[in-house]
Order: sequence, then C-alpha cells, then structure tokens
Amino acid sequence: DVKVTQSSRYLVKRTGEKVFLECVQDMDHENMFWYRQDPGLGLRLIYFSYDVKMKEKGDIPEGYSVSREKKERFSLILESASTNQTSMYLCASSPPGPGNTIYFGEGSWLTVV
Amino acid sequence: KQEVTQIPAALSVPEGENLVLNCSFTDSAIYNLQWFRQDPGKGLTSLLLIQSSQREQTSGRLNASLDKSSGRSTLYIAASQPGDSATYLCAVRPRSGGSNYKLTFGKGTLLTVNP
Repeated sequence: DVKVTQSSRYLVKRTGEKVFLECVQDMDHENMFWYRQDPGLGLRLIYFSYDVKMKEKGDIPEGYSVSREKKERFSLILESASTNQTSMYLCASSPPGPGNTIYFGEGSWLTVV
Repeated sequence: KQEVTQIPAALSVPEGENLVLNCSFTDSAIYNLQWFRQDPGKGLTSLLLIQSSQREQTSGRLNASLDKSSGRSTLYIAASQPGDSATYLCAVRPRSGGSNYKLTFGKGTLLTVNP
C-alpha cells in the first residue's frame, strides 16, 4: 500500500514563528503536493513538486515556501506564521502522468495563536 | 475555469439503504475523475478513479459512473452501513491549460448512515 506520512498531526505555534511541516512517501512517486483545507473553501493547492528541487506555485502560495531535497520528502515552510494560516494541511503524492491516482497523508492540524 | 459541485451537501439515511452521491463539473476536458472518502479530522482516502474514456468503475459495494459529455459523475453505495459515514469528495483532473496536475475538488457530501 502507498503510504504518505505527515510527521506532525497536531501543532500549536505562535504568530511569527517559523513552522516546518514534513511529508514522506514510500512509493518513489515523482509528484508531491501540499494542500490546505478550510471549512467552506474546500481543498486548495499551495505548492506542487514534480521532481527533486523542482516546484511550482499552486493557487495560494503566498506566505509559504517548500523544499524537496530528496525524492521521498516534501516540506512545507511557513516563514512567519500568522493566525490566518490556522488550518488542516494535507500532503499528497502521485506517479507522473495525468492518469494516476493521487494519495493523501493523514493531515496536519496547525493552530497559530 | 473548472468548477466542481456536489449536491447535496449533507445526506442522512438509514442503514441498509442504497444511495447515490452526485458530482457535476463545468468543463468536460478532463483526464479523469476521482472519488475520495474523508473521515473527521483525517486525510483523504482514494475510493475510485475513472478515466475519461471509461463509463464506470466498481469496488465492492461502490460503483462510480462518469458521463463526461454532460459533466456528471455519481457514486452509488449499495447496502449502506454506519461505517460508511464520512465526507465524500470528488475531484477532476483537467486536460486543458497545461496544468493537468491541478485537481479541482468539490466541497464534498457529508454522509451519515444511521443504525
């Protein structure tokens, strides 16, 4: 079975802190994604990576950056956390090509106070 | 711009009932459509993936259909059980615009199956 693991399920951080959300997948997938999910807004794509060190902005990249130094690991970075970044963050991965299933992790609940 | 709508937003049924969840999309230029299940506070679990050339996919008590020309998909759940209670989301992968990695999600249908 494909496994996408998000190391932190629940985090509470203070405004202005730098926050790292880590995601690891074990299926050698080229594509990895970071989404956030908010009530009433659904899932929105933050960043996408299609290879090591390669990234593309999604629909809401402002306030976020990403790092992909190894194929299996994709990190989401909040340079200076703000309260409007309180959300559920979901990591996902998929093989290359548009015809493939996308697999999600369990999610990370981030609260910024 | 692709829009995905799921109606109803919430559905409550007694155990054992067969039910249908609906998903509609505005742009028929898609590679595929995927149905997911999400339990409260958890991530998304992929249920079924239908390619644009396919009409339906089945997995156990689940059957998903796709009518690309009319922009509709349905997820049929047979003999529902309380364990089926969850939010069900559909997502389409666009064929046009050069961004075929960008899934467009519906907002989901919250299903409650009562014992």
